[in-house]
Amino acid sequence: DAMVIQNPRYQVTQFGKPVTLSCSQTLNHNVMYWYQQKSSQAPKLLFHYYDKDFNNEADTPDNFQSRRPNTSFCFLDIRSPGLGDAAMYLCATSRDRLGHSGYEQYFGPGTRLTVT
Amino acid sequence: AQSVTQLDSQVPVFEEAPVELRCNYSSSVSVYLFWYVQYPNQGLQLLLKYLSGSTLVKGINGFEAEFNKSQTSFHLRKPSVHISDTAEYFCAVIRMNRDDKIIFGKGTRLHILP
Repeated sequence: DAMVIQNPRYQVTQFGKPVTLSCSQTLNHNVMYWYQQKSSQAPKLLFHYYDKDFNNEADTPDNFQSRRPNTSFCFLDIRSPGLGDAAMYLCATSRDRLGHSGYEQYFGPGTRLTVT
Repeated sequence: AQSVTQLDSQVPVFEEAPVELRCNYSSSVSVYLFWYVQYPNQGLQLLLKYLSGSTLVKGINGFEAEFNKSQTSFHLRKPSVHISDTAEYFCAVIRMNRDDKIIFGKGTRLHILP
């Protein structure tokens, strides 16, 4: 089945120690997104790629970076995790820009990040 | 800019009873509307979406929603809930023909009581 895969599902890192979360997709979708979701809150968009075009949200901290080496893979790098970065990180894809054709997003199962 | 309001943060419902989860939106232009479900420790999954046409939209797992333009609402309903429907439900909106990001409501947690 075509899907969005996130690894690992659970990640524990130390305060200030860089961590990378990965996402891959077999849907061949143009757009990939990274969301941060804290407990009992809506997902918060960090950034997205439209093909190779990177789009950062204005309020995304510089501590968060992303790479998309090819269509299938996207990575979220947290350079110096703080306690406030503990959250669920969701990767999502869409066939094209959401507002232009009503395409929906396909979400991965998420990576729960714990910062000790 | 568009916005989404989910008035109820939690809704308790007895098993096999009907349920309605409310969603209101605000936008100066036409929008696409979505309902997503999130089970514990999972990502979001699309339940249904409204793009155009019939205002009554049927989705997966027996859910349906009705688009009401005059009341700017897109309430989600199910005639008979099951324990397996326990989850968080997010309403979302995006403006048509714009390069905006999708806006999610704060979510409604559905508690199914035995």
